[in-house]
Amino acid sequence: NAGVTQTPKFQVLKTGQSMTLQCAQDMNHNSMYWYRQDPGMGLRLIYYSASEGTTDKGEVPNGYNVSRLNKREFSLRLESAAPSQTSVYFCASSLTTSEAKNIQYFGAGTRLSVL
Amino acid sequence: AQSVTQLDSQVPVFEEAPVELRCNYSSSVSVYLFWYVQYPNQGLQLLLKYLSGSTLVKSINGFEAEFNKSQTSFHLRKPSVHISDTAEYFCAVSDSGGYQKVTFGTGTKLQVIP
Repeated sequence: NAGVTQTPKFQVLKTGQSMTLQCAQDMNHNSMYWYRQDPGMGLRLIYYSASEGTTDKGEVPNGYNVSRLNKREFSLRLESAAPSQTSVYFCASSLTTSEAKNIQYFGAGTRLSVL
Repeated sequence: AQSVTQLDSQVPVFEEAPVELRCNYSSSVSVYLFWYVQYPNQGLQLLLKYLSGSTLVKSINGFEAEFNKSQTSFHLRKPSVHISDTAEYFCAVSDSGGYQKVTFGTGTKLQVIP
């Protein structure tokens, strides 16, 4: 079972460079999420997608864009990377039905450093 | 708006000793409560959940948590920890009304000392 797959696992960027973090899930979940994890701050929601074709801002969306390409894939783009975006990024997915209760399944993370 | 407070950022404990990781939440509506665990260099995974019914919920590896509505708490306990329990633990809350958003606490690092 692949679950939630994130690529790449590691990335180093220079300030101003752009990149896209990829995420795919094979569990037929309707909702997908992007979080960033920073020491002492827990997980903060960047963007989420409740269903294919919809996206919404989370707690810290500035500097990011997302695309829900299809039901399986949800990408996160940094157009002009800044050192403040150095973080570990996690993609998650969930089934938001009354039975599934929005239990979230996480990928292994992408560790991004912006120099 | 809902929020989660984990009062301890780090908890060191000797192997085979008991441990309690504290979690308090704030919400104006009925909630679902979760504990997630993150092992080093991995993503988070669900440890246990409270949805309804019995206020005491248990995981397969010996952890348990009790939902206390009057104290708005969902503390995680284990009577005897193992080295393999070393990880970061996140408490989370979700609106039981069906909205997709889950709010996570800042995490507690459990360090089991041999």
